[in-house]
Amino acid sequence: SYELTQPPSVSVSPGQTARITCSGDALPKKYAHWYQQKSGQAPVLVIYEDSKRPSEIPERFSGSSSGTMATLTISGAQVEDEADYYCYSTDSSEGVFGGGTTLTVL
Amino acid sequence: QVQLVESGGGVVQPGRSLRLSCAASGFTFSNCGMHWVRQAPGKGLEWVAVIWFDGSNKYYADSVKGRFTISRDNSKNTLYLQMNSLRAEDTAVYYCAKEELVYFDYWGQGTLVTVSS
Repeated sequence: SYELTQPPSVSVSPGQTARITCSGDALPKKYAHWYQQKSGQAPVLVIYEDSKRPSEIPERFSGSSSGTMATLTISGAQVEDEADYYCYSTDSSEGVFGGGTTLTVL
Repeated sequence: QVQLVESGGGVVQPGRSLRLSCAASGFTFSNCGMHWVRQAPGKGLEWVAVIWFDGSNKYYADSVKGRFTISRDNSKNTLYLQMNSLRAEDTAVYYCAKEELVYFDYWGQGTLVTVSS
């Protein structure tokens, strides 16, 4: 079955740029979408269709995709950005999530 | 505003059944594909199933195929997940999610299912 691979953890200091990657064989043909999940809460969409940002999401969140890798970038990460981040894509008509990346900002 | 409210979770013995519901409001439910996504304690998100806007097509993760059935009642703005032959590994928070094109733009708060004897 199709898989998306993320690093388990990323750590940055406040104000630094955090980059979280997601690799998958179908990403050249399929969009990647990104979700933020804070402890005990439901996921929230932060990037859709590789690089589009919902209006309520801060501008420091951006996305890109090239070949088999999609990247979520948080420019000037804040302490409140500490969370788990998941990429999501589709394979045929089925959905698949990456394993998730825990972002630590300290 | 869009609201998705799951219900029906609880503690159930292995091998038994449970039906989850997701009440939708704030959007035209009958126009939208709907999904179930689950998250085992301390684990990542796992896509479970999707149903098209009119119920004409349904797809499942391999881990639940043949045991779970997704359905909807557009007259009641409600999504369902019938879970049969439950296993310990089905223990998770189950979220319903509204589809927008090929991603989820809204999620419910989830309902916890615990499979234990």
